[in-house]
This record gives sequence, C-alpha cells and structure tokens, in this order.
Amino acid sequence: DAKTTQPTSMDCAEGRAANLPCNHSTISGNEYVYWYRQIHSQGPQYIIHGLKNNETNEMASLIITEDRKSSTLILPHATLRDTAVYYCIVRVGESGGSNYKLTFGKGTLLTVNP
Amino acid sequence: SAVISQKPSRDICQRGTSLTIQCQVDSQVTMMFWYRQQPGQSLTLIATANQGSEATYESGFVIDKFPISRPNLTFSTLTVSNMSPEDSSIYLCSVLAKNIQYFGAGTRLSVL
Repeated sequence: DAKTTQPTSMDCAEGRAANLPCNHSTISGNEYVYWYRQIHSQGPQYIIHGLKNNETNEMASLIITEDRKSSTLILPHATLRDTAVYYCIVRVGESGGSNYKLTFGKGTLLTVNP
Repeated sequence: SAVISQKPSRDICQRGTSLTIQCQVDSQVTMMFWYRQQPGQSLTLIATANQGSEATYESGFVIDKFPISRPNLTFSTLTVSNMSPEDSSIYLCSVLAKNIQYFGAGTRLSVL
C-alpha cells in the first residue's frame, strides 16, 4: 500500500491560505489521492480527491505534482472552524472493488489562529 | 452525498458485556465499513461489510470479537463482544457512495 507522510502539525493565521503538504512517493499510476479532515469529536469529512490533475471544489484545491509523488491541499481563506486533523490518503484498489481500502495515517493537526 | 446515522452516540458499559452499534444510511450502498478510533489515535479499519456476503476483517480483528451483520443495502450492525477497558474507543460506520467514503459521527464507548 502506498504510504503517505505528513507534518504532525501546522499553524495558519485566520484569513490566510493554509497549504498542507503530503508525500506519497510510492503511489502507483492508478491510485487516487484523497483528503479528509476530522474536527474534534466528529467523524471524518471528505474534502477532495484527485488522480493527476489539479482539482478544486467549494472547500479546497488539490495540487498534485507532475510525478504524482506529492500533493498539497490548499484552503484559500482559513477560518477558525478549519482547525482540524487533515488526512492525506492514497486509495487502494478500484472504487467498489474487492481490494478497495481507505487507510488513515496520523494526519496533520492544522490550527488556525485568530 | 450519504447521510449516516449511528446509534447509540455514546455508551458506558461494564466489562464482560456486549454492545451492538447500529448504522443506518439514507441511500442504498454496496460497501459499508467499520472503523475504530482509540483515544488520541487515527482511524483503524475493522472490517468491510458487503450486503449478501460475510464481512472481511482486517488483521488483528476477528469475527468472534466484532461480529457484523449486513441484512440490507442501508443498514449494518457491529457488536463489540465481551468488552474490556481496552475496547474503549470511538467506533465509526462508513459507506462508499459514488467514489467517496462518508462517515457517521461515531459511537463513543467507555468500558468500566
């Protein structure tokens, strides 16, 4: 399984962009990168996912390097409510397939400061 | 998206007893998952539960300890059997819908 490496913690000022890095140097060609976050005492919340192209939705942007060995999640204007643990995950197997699995690492604790 | 309801949201149980956690989703899904999150830790996958087949357990988890039912496409239960204080955790139900996994709020279990 492709493993991911994330910083343990990061700080960001409210209103500024939060850029969360993730290394996944052993990713295979057909494996997707997913980002989730977990706000204290809640279940994980899906943010965004991508294969090789950059992606953007109402929550965030995902930038994947050309060699796919790393990615960055960007929260364009961080708020206090964005304080959470952010997980970068490489999905194993085809969606719905017999070997499909989403394995969580330790993630990055992002603290947004006023 | 998929909306997941878990019951109970929390419970305090005596060692040696069993607790069954229910997971209801608002749409039909093929794949459901059960995770455990121990205090201060990340999520660990317990098993994958597909309707109409036996649950597939991850290494370190066994059916006798964590029996799972999946009677239809919108419902599943996880039982934590013969509990000990080490089973104190948050147990989360998750479903796969259109390439995205959604999670319930979890069941916070304390075993005394």
